[in-house]
Amino acid sequence: EADIYQTPRYLVIGTGKKITLECSQTMGHDKMYWYQQDPGMELHLIHYSYGVNSTEKGDLSSESTVSRIRTEHFPLTLESARPSHTSQYLCASSANEGGDGYTFGSGTRLTVV
Amino acid sequence: KQEVTQIPAALSVPEGENLVLNCSFTDSAIYNLQWFRQDPGKGLTSLLLIQSSQREQTSGRLNASLDKSSGRSTLYIAASQPGDSATYLCAVKADSSYKLIFGSGTRLLVRP
Repeated sequence: EADIYQTPRYLVIGTGKKITLECSQTMGHDKMYWYQQDPGMELHLIHYSYGVNSTEKGDLSSESTVSRIRTEHFPLTLESARPSHTSQYLCASSANEGGDGYTFGSGTRLTVV
Repeated sequence: KQEVTQIPAALSVPEGENLVLNCSFTDSAIYNLQWFRQDPGKGLTSLLLIQSSQREQTSGRLNASLDKSSGRSTLYIAASQPGDSATYLCAVKADSSYKLIFGSGTRLLVRP
C-alpha cells in the first residue's frame, strides 16, 4: 500500500546527542517536505525537496539539515540536540507541481532533555 | 504574501448537529486547497482536496466548497459524531510555489 512512513514515532534524547528522523514514501513522489509543529500551534515548513539532490530551507529557520539521495527517502538530522528542538516533526510528500495534494506521515514527537 | 485564516478557532457542539468550518485566504491565485484532520499528537489526515477549477468536493458526511474570487472555503460536516472531534486544518498551495500554507486550525469538540 502506498504510504509515507516516519520513524521513530516518539524519541526522548539527551542534550548534545546527534539524531536522525527518518521519512520514507512508497508513492514515487518527487516533492517532500518537513514541517515542525509545537503543541497546539501552527505548522511551519522547515525544509523541502523538489527531487533527488535538491534541498531547500523553508520559512522557519531550523538548525536541522536534510538530504535527498533517493527519491523515497528524506531524513532530517540534528547534529547536537537541544531542549529548544523539542517539538513534533511532520514529513509530507506530493506528486507534482499543482494538481496533487499532500500526504503526511504520522509524525515524530521529539523531546530533548 | 498568502495568509490563511480559520474561523472559529474552537467549536463545541452536541452530537448530531450539522456544522460549518470557515477558511479564508488573501491571494486568490491558488492551485488547490486541502482540508486536513489532525488528532492530538498525531499527523495530518487528508480529508478533501479541491482544485482551483472546482467548486466543491464531497466525501461521506463531509462537503468542502471553494470560492476563489472571494478567497473562501467552507467545510460542512453533516450529522456530527464524537469521533469527529479533532483539529481541522485548511491549507492552500500557492500559484508560484510548491509549498502548502496552513491556517491555524479549528478545534472541534462533538459532545455525546
